[in-house]
Amino acid sequence: DAGVIQSPRHEVTEMGQEVTLRCKPISGHNSLFWYRQTMMRGLELLIYFNNNVPIDDSGMPEDRFSAKMPNASFSTLKIQPSEPRDSAVYFCASSPKDRGIGSPLHFGNGTRLTVT
Amino acid sequence: AQTVTQSQPEMSVQEAETVTLSCTYDTSESDYYLFWYKQPPSRQMILVIRQEAYKQQNATENRFSVNFQKAAKSFSLKISDSQLGDAAMYFCAYRSDNFGNEKLTFGTGTRLTIIP
Repeated sequence: DAGVIQSPRHEVTEMGQEVTLRCKPISGHNSLFWYRQTMMRGLELLIYFNNNVPIDDSGMPEDRFSAKMPNASFSTLKIQPSEPRDSAVYFCASSPKDRGIGSPLHFGNGTRLTVT
Repeated sequence: AQTVTQSQPEMSVQEAETVTLSCTYDTSESDYYLFWYKQPPSRQMILVIRQEAYKQQNATENRFSVNFQKAAKSFSLKISDSQLGDAAMYFCAYRSDNFGNEKLTFGTGTRLTIIP
């Protein structure tokens, strides 16, 4: 089991640029979550998917953020245009929905985004 | 909406001693799940322990145990025989038992320092 794989591990970009974060969930897991972690706001859910369908995107900050899950093994989180306040660590997590929703979330190692 | 509160931003403990981290939560639901996650400096989110609300027995994982008080909505983590590798941020988290509301809601975390 390779775990949840996120790329890149670090991303530094200039304000106004497009940023794409990528996630490969654990095989067989059909729930996928995107979280953002900052010192000020802690860990906050941005969006989550069940069976590739977005269920709750109420945490997506604004229209600059978008997330897709074209298939069960891949998801992206895109920020366009990026702003300095988007600087944070972005985590992707997955869980095996079929085993009951009390299953824990398995997290990737996160992407540290810095927008200058 | 559910909320999770960790009232201790920082804690420290002597190596080999026992420490207890506090967590309270607010919910109107009767069935749910509670978790403790550990985040070392590597920023990886690691599951420490899990508790189902319908179980009265407190969960235990080696040196880690919880004191789950459902009526008081309290879920503390006890670490026995503290080791240097236990130094990390610890997050308490809540997960609903309702489909469609499967996100983890996190507390703000407690930074644990182990004193050699």
